[in-house]
Amino acid sequence: EDKVVQSPLSLVVHEGDTVTLNCSYEVTNFRSLLWYKQEKKAPTFLFMLTSSGIEKKSGRLSSILDKKELFSILNITATQTGDSAVYLCAVVRGATNKLIFGTGTLLAVQP
Amino acid sequence: EPEVTQTPSHQVTQMGQEVILRCVPISNHLYFYWYRQILGQKVEFLVSFYNNEISEKSEIFDDQFSVERPDGSNFTLKIRSTKLEDSAMYFCASSGDYSNQPQHFGDGTRLSIL
Repeated sequence: EDKVVQSPLSLVVHEGDTVTLNCSYEVTNFRSLLWYKQEKKAPTFLFMLTSSGIEKKSGRLSSILDKKELFSILNITATQTGDSAVYLCAVVRGATNKLIFGTGTLLAVQP
Repeated sequence: EPEVTQTPSHQVTQMGQEVILRCVPISNHLYFYWYRQILGQKVEFLVSFYNNEISEKSEIFDDQFSVERPDGSNFTLKIRSTKLEDSAMYFCASSGDYSNQPQHFGDGTRLSIL
């Protein structure tokens, strides 16, 4: 059965800290891995990773994929209170582009 | 920036009634999806839709559910004979390209079945 597992489930940090969020997967016919940020409503797209070892960066956020060990990490440096959200990892599977989601990591950044 | 829009934002319905959830995908996108998220649980895939037909559906998407693209802009999810366990947030998503572009999500419709 396809599986996407995120850790930790929740995390509380202080502004300025650096955090690393983890996502491991076992999915048949893997195509790519996506990270989303979910605040109150829609998951907002952050990164799409298809190849191993190539870091994607956007400001203070970065992410990398390891297709041999079947995991990805999302790093956030110099965290701000606006980074507080649920971060979702999702794997694109197979022929129909179906997304398989993890449970998410709830990040709370305290002032 | 173009976005996926969903209406209504919240729908309250009596058990046994039919509901239609509406979505307007991003205008040049070709692939459309519905997901749902029961409170406290993972986001779950329901159905994908391309070229006016269903590409894949999950076990959840049984005869109670149907999707339609009635015109060039709307994409709807119909749920017949609603049950209490259908209460969830329903997200619509769209993507432009089969494998190279991410899915973009709408803000969701919170469906409450009484």
